[in-house]
Amino acid sequence: SSELTQDPAVSVALGQTVRITCQGDSLRSYYASWYQQKPGQAPVLVIYGKNNRPSGIPDRFSGSSSGNTASLTITGAQAEDEADYYCNSRDSSGNHPWVFGGGTKLTVL
Amino acid sequence: QLQLQESGPGLVKPSETLSLTCTVSGGSISSSSYYWGWIRQPPGKGLEWIGSIYYSGSTYYNPSLKSRVTISVDTSKNQFSLKLSSVTAADTAVYYCATISDWFDPWGQGTLVTVSS
Repeated sequence: SSELTQDPAVSVALGQTVRITCQGDSLRSYYASWYQQKPGQAPVLVIYGKNNRPSGIPDRFSGSSSGNTASLTITGAQAEDEADYYCNSRDSSGNHPWVFGGGTKLTVL
Repeated sequence: QLQLQESGPGLVKPSETLSLTCTVSGGSISSSSYYWGWIRQPPGKGLEWIGSIYYSGSTYYNPSLKSRVTISVDTSKNQFSLKLSSVTAADTAVYYCATISDWFDPWGQGTLVTVSS
């Protein structure tokens, strides 16, 4: 399959920990990357590779993977983390090289 | 530091061809380290990978759009371009260009293209 599946919406209390998941067959072969998108803005890479953060991304963002599921964890969520989050990976089906998940809307309560 | 900027018409008529250009600055589009790609996002919806190109000209397209998409590269101008033919209202979206390793970074700011008569 060339699909990545995400929960449409997740909420977290301010300062608590939240995990956003992404499922797909390609994740058994490739790492997921994760993007944060705020309204009216372009997506921003927050996690890539095994668990790497680009410069400027807070260390409360981390990534992990097990089997066909990749996870983005925000430890101590802040109000500014409220955004849409998308996963992305190479595609193992051979149909096309890259695929995005449908996105998860994170609400910080 | 790489920066990307999309440019092109914001309004395209149905059945016509959408044409956008992405200008790369802060680095060479001829770098063997990257692919260059187009992604779109219809209003209120998620991201859709459209296609990608290597500096050599090798292209990869989303099968759902392949029959209508052409991506090309102009190394002399440090630009790559997107053409999407026979557009309909369903092609109305913000179109982004991006640099691709195994991840997409950086992205351009995006440009809204509306398909309407």
